[in-house]
Formats: sequence, C-alpha cells, structure tokens
Amino acid sequence: SAVISQKPSRDICQRGTSLTIQCQVDSQVTMMFWYRQQPGQSLTLIATANQGSEATYESGFVIDKFPISRPNLTFSTLTVSNMSPEDSSIYLCSVWGINRDSVSQNIQYFGAGTRLSVL
Amino acid sequence: GESVGLHLPTLSVQEGDNSIINCAYSNSASDYFIWYKQESGKGPQFIIDIRSNMDKRQGQRVTVLLNKTVKHLSLQIAATQPGDSAVYFCAEKYFGNEKLTFGTGTRLTIIP
Repeated sequence: SAVISQKPSRDICQRGTSLTIQCQVDSQVTMMFWYRQQPGQSLTLIATANQGSEATYESGFVIDKFPISRPNLTFSTLTVSNMSPEDSSIYLCSVWGINRDSVSQNIQYFGAGTRLSVL
Repeated sequence: GESVGLHLPTLSVQEGDNSIINCAYSNSASDYFIWYKQESGKGPQFIIDIRSNMDKRQGQRVTVLLNKTVKHLSLQIAATQPGDSAVYFCAEKYFGNEKLTFGTGTRLTIIP
C-alpha cells in the first residue's frame, strides 16, 4: 500500500497570490501524479512528476501556472501560481502502490487532497 | 480526445436494495478499469478493478461488469448501507500508460 500525506488540507487565498502544496509518500515511487478536481467535477490530471526530470504536463496545464518540484522519491510539491477564483478546486496527489485485492496487484492511491478557495 | 463518462450523475437507492452505477468509455485500447469511491472531504478510495480480458469480477458486496462490445462498465453494490453514500468514479488506462482517465462521477445516496 501507499500512505500519502498532503499539506495543507485546505486554504483560503487571495487573488494573485501563490500556494505551494506538499505531497509526502511513505515509500519510494518513480512517478507522482497531480490532479485537479473542480467543484462537483471529476478528477483531471495536471501533470506527472518523475524524480530527476521535469514534470510532464497534460493539455491545458502549463509549468508557469503549476510549477512542480520532485526533489526525491518520496516528496513532491505543486504550486498554484497567480491564483484566480477559477483555481478554486481540490488538488490531489497520487501514486501507484501494491494492493493485494487488485487484479493487477497494483492500484493508484490518493491523498486526502488540498481544498483551495481563492477569493 | 478519449474520455470516460457516466450515464447517471445522481442515484438514490433505498437502504438494503442493490445499486448499479454505469460508466461508458470511448478508448477501445483501454485494458484496465478501476472503480473509486470518494466520500466528502476525502480522496478517492479503491473499490474494485478489472482487466479487459475479464467480463466480471466480484468483491465484498461489489461486482464489476465489463462489456467490451459496447464499451460499458458497471459497478453493482449489493445490500446498500448508509456508508455507501458517496461519489463513485470509474477510471481507465491502457497498457504502457501509467495515467488514469476518470469518468464524470455518480453521486450515490442511500435512503434510510
């Protein structure tokens, strides 16, 4: 299994500021994933972060807006830059980990998320 | 682009009854499907998964059915309980790709 800790759990921020979200995993993993979940919506992948290389961003997401760090195999940060009210969402960190109940013995685990409100 | 979607955004079921949550996917190359449950204030939690070479897989009170002909996935929850109230998401991926694509989600409400 994988235990993921995210900080902060929630925050209220002012327009134009930036917030850095931390994700800590209890085991070493190659890839870490960052998702956005807008209010009442599903999860959308922002980027994949590999240790030692630049993150790979999905269509519609850019590094200037969502810079990501991956300094080691258990930690990553996502920064939401120059925030606007449209950035109000839940941001989730995710990794693949072992699960004996899975047909593939491997599933994607999620942190509890960071609930961001931008005023 | 490819997408995974759901037919029903909300579903209310009487406690003790069975529920069925549906999901349609469009990527014929998808070979792995997974269902998650998300309770308020929490991240998604794994329920059950299935490979494309399977039609059905059962867990504790849950069954996932896969119909590749019509690209349809369903999650059946037997004898629903109040704790089953949550949003349920299906997700898919294809071999060689580590990224999951999520469906739109269904909010299941269990009526006492």
